[in-house]
Amino acid sequence: DTAVSQTPKYLVTQMGNDKSIKCEQNLGHDTMYWYKQDSKKFLKIMFSYNNKELIINETVPNRFSPKSPDKAHLNLHINSLELGDSAVYFCASSQRQGSTPLHFGNGTRLTVT
Amino acid sequence: QQQVKQSPQSLIVQKGGISIINCAYENTAFDYFPWYQQFPGKGPALLIAIRPDVSEKKEGRFTISFNKSAKQFSLHIMDSQPGDSATYFCAASMSSGNTPLVFGKGTRLSVIA
Repeated sequence: DTAVSQTPKYLVTQMGNDKSIKCEQNLGHDTMYWYKQDSKKFLKIMFSYNNKELIINETVPNRFSPKSPDKAHLNLHINSLELGDSAVYFCASSQRQGSTPLHFGNGTRLTVT
Repeated sequence: QQQVKQSPQSLIVQKGGISIINCAYENTAFDYFPWYQQFPGKGPALLIAIRPDVSEKKEGRFTISFNKSAKQFSLHIMDSQPGDSATYFCAASMSSGNTPLVFGKGTRLSVIA
């Protein structure tokens, strides 16, 4: 069973479109995250949710809106996609906030043309 | 502002050799230092982690060395194998507050036969 699963794995779309990425974890963790990995492999935190509550919102355009319907799910909706949004987006979860291991999904490669 | 600096950016090691990746941090409040391994098309996976109360931690061929006074830590891979070829990330976080894991920029390791 996949611990952190995200869909779709690949997403190709045109500029200006709106798209969503879904994430689910079956580990019973309280905290979920979205990270963005750019073409140079740099991993940058975007959002963090703890028990469905937004904890961290880094400097991310407000075209990006996370939604957590329950503790096991954290979806990412992106409006008005731009070329610069092309990246790999990783969902992750951890047992709690702070110094605990992160469990990552396998990523969604978003390509905006 | 990069809180965790990782070097080298890329590393080529012969099979059977020792791979060494270094990281330096700035925030003395960090108290958790994990290393993640990422294969192409996959999410990062926790490899090994250390807390500042010990100077070294070993798991199989992987060892973390930690120098609190110098604010540095490193990953040593003994008897490097082609299957170790991946991107390695150091990271740091603190137990208090809502600070997520902060990642280094990654090291692409290639182990050649």
